[in-house]
Amino acid sequence: QKEVEQDPGPLSVPEGAIVSLNCTYSNSAFQYFMWYRQYSRKGPELLMYTYSSGNKEDGRFTAQVDKSSKYISLFIRDSQPSDSATYLCAMDEYGNKLVFGAGTILRVKS
Amino acid sequence: GAVVSQHPSWVICKSGTSVKIECRSLDFQATTMFWYRQFPKQSLMLMATSNEGSKATYEQGVEKDKFLINHASLTLSTLTVTSAHPEDSSFYICSVDPGTSGSRAHNEQFFGPGTRLTVL
Repeated sequence: QKEVEQDPGPLSVPEGAIVSLNCTYSNSAFQYFMWYRQYSRKGPELLMYTYSSGNKEDGRFTAQVDKSSKYISLFIRDSQPSDSATYLCAMDEYGNKLVFGAGTILRVKS
Repeated sequence: GAVVSQHPSWVICKSGTSVKIECRSLDFQATTMFWYRQFPKQSLMLMATSNEGSKATYEQGVEKDKFLINHASLTLSTLTVTSAHPEDSSFYICSVDPGTSGSRAHNEQFFGPGTRLTVL
């Protein structure tokens, strides 16, 4: 079993839809949770960062962490074609060693 | 955030040759850089942690004699793929961690644009 599981998609939605991206994990020691966005042939860029459980909102993006269920989510409201990319979840116990999910390919159709 | 560059962005080489990939931190001094490998439709896998002035720390299963890492200055780390073979074809990405400072998140890594290696 992988430490971090993420549905690779692709997930195809119409413009303006609410997108829900998810990851599950097995290591209960993870404390830091991140979402990265990666465009084709580019390096990942950090979108959201959350410590421990709870919600965090930044513009159209909301990150949720449920440590009791070992489940994290990223919601994108009013999705735009420019949101089309691969979204990677990443986690860390403490110590500069990120563990990534496989990434979900998102396609927003105009 | 930190600006990270990689060179080259794309390289094709013959089997058995060596390839050097550079990772530069353009706007701050990085004592630690990370090297990842990403196969198509797969996740980023950490290969090694590069430490300025000391030996790199390799992840389990990564051959240190095949993937040579040199972090000779606070702004440059290099990854050399020695005697490359077709199975080494991948997307190699470096990242830097500026460290926790003020409002900056813990372990907020900034990634380079990646280098696509194709070994024929």
